[in-house]
Amino acid sequence: DTAVSQTPKYLVTQMGNDKSIKCEQNLGHDTMYWYKQDSKKFLKIMFSYNNKELIINETVPNRFSPKSPDKAHLNLHINSLELGDSAVYFCASSWTGATNEKLFFGSGTQLSVL
Amino acid sequence: GESVGLHLPTLSVQEGDNSIINCAYSNSASDYFIWYKQESGKGPQFIIDIRSNMDKRQGQRVTVLLNKTVKHLSLQIAATQPGDSAVYFCAETYHLIYNQGGKLIFGQGTELSVKP
Repeated sequence: DTAVSQTPKYLVTQMGNDKSIKCEQNLGHDTMYWYKQDSKKFLKIMFSYNNKELIINETVPNRFSPKSPDKAHLNLHINSLELGDSAVYFCASSWTGATNEKLFFGSGTQLSVL
Repeated sequence: GESVGLHLPTLSVQEGDNSIINCAYSNSASDYFIWYKQESGKGPQFIIDIRSNMDKRQGQRVTVLLNKTVKHLSLQIAATQPGDSAVYFCAETYHLIYNQGGKLIFGQGTELSVKP
């Protein structure tokens, strides 16, 4: 029983395409996140949602649009993919989103834009 | 401390030795610190945390030390095992303004390689 699961694990696509990554957590957490990990392993937060409400929206191009249909799901849709979008994208969740909570991460989606 | 550069800092140790992974954090207002372990092909996994009102915390085979004066954090792993091979990240958080939620800032990461 995977706590935070994201699909697909690998995504290879052409520049200009639109793609989505799905994430689901079965931990009963209120807050979900998307993180981006670049080729140097640097992890940076992109978005966080608390109970379907957007809380954190970092400086991310508006081609990236998160959607949270319910508190157990946070999907990431990316329009007009660019070469620089190639990275590993991690979904995560935590209980309330408070600053002193540990995050539970999914296993990542490796996106390759050709 | 951390290396700043193009390559991920690496630490190579012999199985059974103790490992020390260092991290320099950026914000003097940070009040909570976490160490995560990321194995190849997996997401980061929580190891241990420490609040800013403490300078040391011990877990199972791991100890975190916090030096707020120099903004330095370290993770000590006792009797390192091959299964400890991974990338280790320190992360810091600080309170945002009301209703902005928590914001976890990750450090660069250090790759630990354990030789059998």
